[in-house]
Amino acid sequence: KQEVTQIPAALSVPEGENLVLNCSFTDSAIYNLQWFRQDPGKGLTSLLLIQSSQREQTSGRLNASLDKSSGRSTLYIAASQPGDSATYLCAGTPENSGGSNYKLTFGKGTLLTVNP
Amino acid sequence: ETGVTQSPTHLIKTRGQQVTLRCSSQSGHNTVSWYQQALGQGPQFIFQYYREEENGRGNFPPRFSGLQFPNYSSELNVNALELDDSALYLCASSLVTAIYGYTFGSGTRLTVV
Repeated sequence: KQEVTQIPAALSVPEGENLVLNCSFTDSAIYNLQWFRQDPGKGLTSLLLIQSSQREQTSGRLNASLDKSSGRSTLYIAASQPGDSATYLCAGTPENSGGSNYKLTFGKGTLLTVNP
Repeated sequence: ETGVTQSPTHLIKTRGQQVTLRCSSQSGHNTVSWYQQALGQGPQFIFQYYREEENGRGNFPPRFSGLQFPNYSSELNVNALELDDSALYLCASSLVTAIYGYTFGSGTRLTVV
């Protein structure tokens, strides 16, 4: 059974800091990996998708990487801003699932607070 | 391009009642998945629908059931509600191969009293 661990569970930083969020999978056979942002009581906003043939994706101040050999992913946020405060969730679909990659397995998330 | 829309946004039900949640998928997507997110937890996979049939199911009892319609929209039905069913229910749409990832709706907050 795939399990996803996100470290740290919570992080508080001053505005302007660069930071790294970590995510690890017990089964490294990952097809796709997505990082999401969730504001309190809201749905999920997709930030970055790393497809099966990729190892890294960048969007603005965000960069995500995936090491398939170890089943570890990192989300790097540059020059953090108070508006980045949210819970960040990583999730992956399995590489071998009978021909359909149907199930996203999530971590519990990292609660990020960026202080002005 | 429209995103994923869910209705209602909030719902309060009494234990033992039944509830139906609705989801419209993003334009161009043919697959809908449902997730349950308890407070402080990551979303848990309930099931997925593709071509109007269940295409995979998580560890949820049969009282959780669903439908997908020809326009790819979907319903989640929960019978005999229990207090532990109180959660945020998230709908996600995708292509069946998930090659472009998943797009989530804003969720339905269900409270069972």
